[in-house]
Amino acid sequence: NAGVTQTPKFQVLKTGQSMTLQCAQDMNHNSMYWYRQDPGMGLRLIYYSASEGTTDKGEVPNGYNVSRLNKREFSLRLESAAPSQTSVYFCASSEARGGNTIYFGEGSWLTVV
Amino acid sequence: AQSVTQLGSHVSVSEGALVLLRCNYSSSVPPYLFWYVQYPNQGLQLLLKYTSAATLVKGINGFEAEFKKSETSFHLTKPSAHMSDAAEYFCAVSEEGRRALTFGSGTRLQVQP
Repeated sequence: NAGVTQTPKFQVLKTGQSMTLQCAQDMNHNSMYWYRQDPGMGLRLIYYSASEGTTDKGEVPNGYNVSRLNKREFSLRLESAAPSQTSVYFCASSEARGGNTIYFGEGSWLTVV
Repeated sequence: AQSVTQLGSHVSVSEGALVLLRCNYSSSVPPYLFWYVQYPNQGLQLLLKYTSAATLVKGINGFEAEFKKSETSFHLTKPSAHMSDAAEYFCAVSEEGRRALTFGSGTRLQVQP
């Protein structure tokens, strides 16, 4: 009963390095999301994928890229990490209808030094 | 555009006291409204949601929320706080045709013995 699984859970990067956050869901959901959480700002949407083969920008997409590899997997890439990207990143998934519950992973803590 | 305002970034109550966490939203169309809870170093868990059925929604752990269209509010309540309720609570909104959630900035609930 895994739900939404994210890796890695913790990562420290140097400024300018690149990395990919991996996410997989086993609930057969069509829609997947990447959010970042910063103190006092709630969760902000980075990118989402309404269905396999489609991706769209959210509120804060600059500095990120995504790939919807298949229905299960949705990865987030930082091409050149910056200290402003220090955050907790959450992957999530849901059925493809408004009002459906969005299920979250456990989070990935990323520090850029 | 949709938005969520949570009044009070920190709320402290005594064990056994009423819990009231405030949420106001703006939406150009009838909204879907959610409350999520986040325990330390964990992902977000759905407490309850409003999807245009009954205006009083009951959730897990004894929480409930009432949708008041005239006040554009969806406040979260629990009659009697328990120590285990200490966590951060997020109100969120989505609309038909937009699956992604827009979150408020969160309210950290502290329960004093």
